[in-house]
Amino acid sequence: QQPVQSPQAVILREGEDAVINCSSSKALYSVHWYRQKHGEAPVFLMILLKGGEQKGHDKISASFNEKKQQSSLYLTASQLSYSGTYFCGTEINDYKLSFGAGTTVTVRA
Amino acid sequence: DAGVTQSPTHLIKTRGQHVTLRCSPISGHKSVSWYQQVLGQGPQFIFQYYEKEERGRGNFPDRFSARQFPNYSSELNVNALLLGDSALYLCASSLGITDTQYFGPGTRLTVL
Repeated sequence: QQPVQSPQAVILREGEDAVINCSSSKALYSVHWYRQKHGEAPVFLMILLKGGEQKGHDKISASFNEKKQQSSLYLTASQLSYSGTYFCGTEINDYKLSFGAGTTVTVRA
Repeated sequence: DAGVTQSPTHLIKTRGQHVTLRCSPISGHKSVSWYQQVLGQGPQFIFQYYEKEERGRGNFPDRFSARQFPNYSSELNVNALLLGDSALYLCASSLGITDTQYFGPGTRLTVL
């Protein structure tokens, strides 16, 4: 039931782009994206509901492909502040969030 | 507005002991969820409470229990602690059951 995230880790230079994928074997009701910096709590980025909706938060956006049960998070023109571990949380329809193992993003100057 | 608060920040216990973790949700939020995060992994769902009733439970043993109070704050109790219970315990609050969850800073539990 736990979603699968890929890649496990990515290293970027400032200004580069990256894509993080989140896949589920179950039909999803929603996908929630969070970023967690070392020693801190996860911070909410955005939520996507079934319907293929795409959302954006500054230069971070995400899409949800309902047919594939997959969501992708797009980091555009990355900044140093984008470093952290990104988690996707998936909801089937039972109000419980199942989180993936995370993708560690390191942005270097 | 204050965010989700948790206490204590850190806790060290020995095997077999009992622990109580506390969480105060964002003002106006009526739902509280508890998660366990082991180092290097994503948060694992333990419980969700809404209006003082348990609305969801993850795959955790009966040693784990929780409750929510009339002011919507919550406690997570863990009995007969095992070494494997060492983790960061996160509390998240939301307006309702299906709304966005906002996490607190967590309680770091170490079991020796």
